[in-house]
Amino acid sequence: KAGVTQTPRYLIKTRGQQVTLSCSPISGHRSVSWYQQTPGQGLQFLFEYFSETQRNKGNFPGRFSGRQFSNSRSEMNVSTLELGDSALYLCASSLVPGQLYEQYFGPGTRLTVT
Amino acid sequence: QQQVKQSPQSLIVQKGGIPIINCAYENTAFDYFPWYQQFPGKGPALLIAIRPDVSEKKEGRFTISFNKSAKQFSLHIMDSQPGDSATYFCAAISVIQGAQKLVFGQGTRLTINP
Repeated sequence: KAGVTQTPRYLIKTRGQQVTLSCSPISGHRSVSWYQQTPGQGLQFLFEYFSETQRNKGNFPGRFSGRQFSNSRSEMNVSTLELGDSALYLCASSLVPGQLYEQYFGPGTRLTVT
Repeated sequence: QQQVKQSPQSLIVQKGGIPIINCAYENTAFDYFPWYQQFPGKGPALLIAIRPDVSEKKEGRFTISFNKSAKQFSLHIMDSQPGDSATYFCAAISVIQGAQKLVFGQGTRLTINP
């Protein structure tokens, strides 16, 4: 069974631009969560989606948004990029919603904002 | 606000040694404590997890020790190998109003020298 896939793997954007990252969960997994990983703040939870609805949200500004499609694939959008948004963005999927106990992470998208 | 404090930040151990990574928490609502292993270029992978009603759990060469009264838990790696070199994250999960919250420690970069 294929794991969680994320595209693109690397991305360079300019401050002020917006970016969209994509995540395909493990086949059969219906819940997708997003995390931001930085050297300074570590791993932080962004949000969780299930059945195309946001179930849970971390403490990030409204510039960070996401959505989930009917096939469980998810996208994350960051608008008006800031230098501090440079990070590894990780997607994780689980079979049932809220089951953070058993989630599987993708390899991440490395976003660099210049 | 760091809800789970992890130490040390980095650790170098000789092959066969027993690296120990420690974590401490304050929030008594946490009821599940997973550990993740992350290799460069990969997302975190669940390694082992424990609930607070258990004082110790072993899976292969990995052992979690849990001290509920002290609100501390630690990861021990027996007979460490160079292939164990990775970044390790402790984490804690709580359930608040039906929603799970997952917080991570800052991570420990472990190097096992041959």
